[in-house]
Amino acid sequence: GESVGLHLPTLSVQEGDNSIINCAYSNSASDYFIWYKQESGKGPQFIIDIRSNMDKRQGQRVTVLLNKTVKHLSLQIAATQPGDSAVYFCAESGSGNTPLVFGKGTRLSVIA
Amino acid sequence: NAGVTQTPKFRILKIGQSMTLQCTQDMNHNYMYWYRQDPGMGLKLIYYSVGAGITDKGEVPNGYNVSRSTTEDFPLRLELAAPSQTSVYFCASSIGTGAYEQYFGPGTRLTVT
Repeated sequence: GESVGLHLPTLSVQEGDNSIINCAYSNSASDYFIWYKQESGKGPQFIIDIRSNMDKRQGQRVTVLLNKTVKHLSLQIAATQPGDSAVYFCAESGSGNTPLVFGKGTRLSVIA
Repeated sequence: NAGVTQTPKFRILKIGQSMTLQCTQDMNHNYMYWYRQDPGMGLKLIYYSVGAGITDKGEVPNGYNVSRSTTEDFPLRLELAAPSQTSVYFCASSIGTGAYEQYFGPGTRLTVT
């Protein structure tokens, strides 16, 4: 089975509210995690990444939190906008040369 | 920089036909990848390459072949297409593998009927 999974397949959020997308991983040796955004008909685009020696990283309107104790990753989007509507994937990589392993994705729908 | 480009954008194949999906990157990345994405699902790694002349199998390699004769190009070959290969195919590249961002192309939507 997949080593990276997502708790919620769909998420509907009111415009202006904060969004939280969750991801569980099973490989405790994973040392790098990344979030991608995929808009309809397009390829995935990088949002933010985090290494295992950190527990929080912030970008523009986005924050990734890593809880290694429970092997959980989350993406927080502040003041969600209609343009944030997309499918969000988390991915993990083990150490060394292991390619990224992607989760199934969460579809975020923003209600105007 | 065009980034990662893929051709064609769309293709319909009959069962048993063959085709090559083209992928080119202009970022001088050593690592390149092919994924497939079935409807409502995540990305599954088909093949990847760590440099010209070197390829390796991913999670779902059966029914596909790849070659990497140059740093820029990483074509994916489908022999004897089957309905199970109906999917969207994404090519990606990165500076390194593992803990490095992958840059994705726009995808090729393939239907096998």
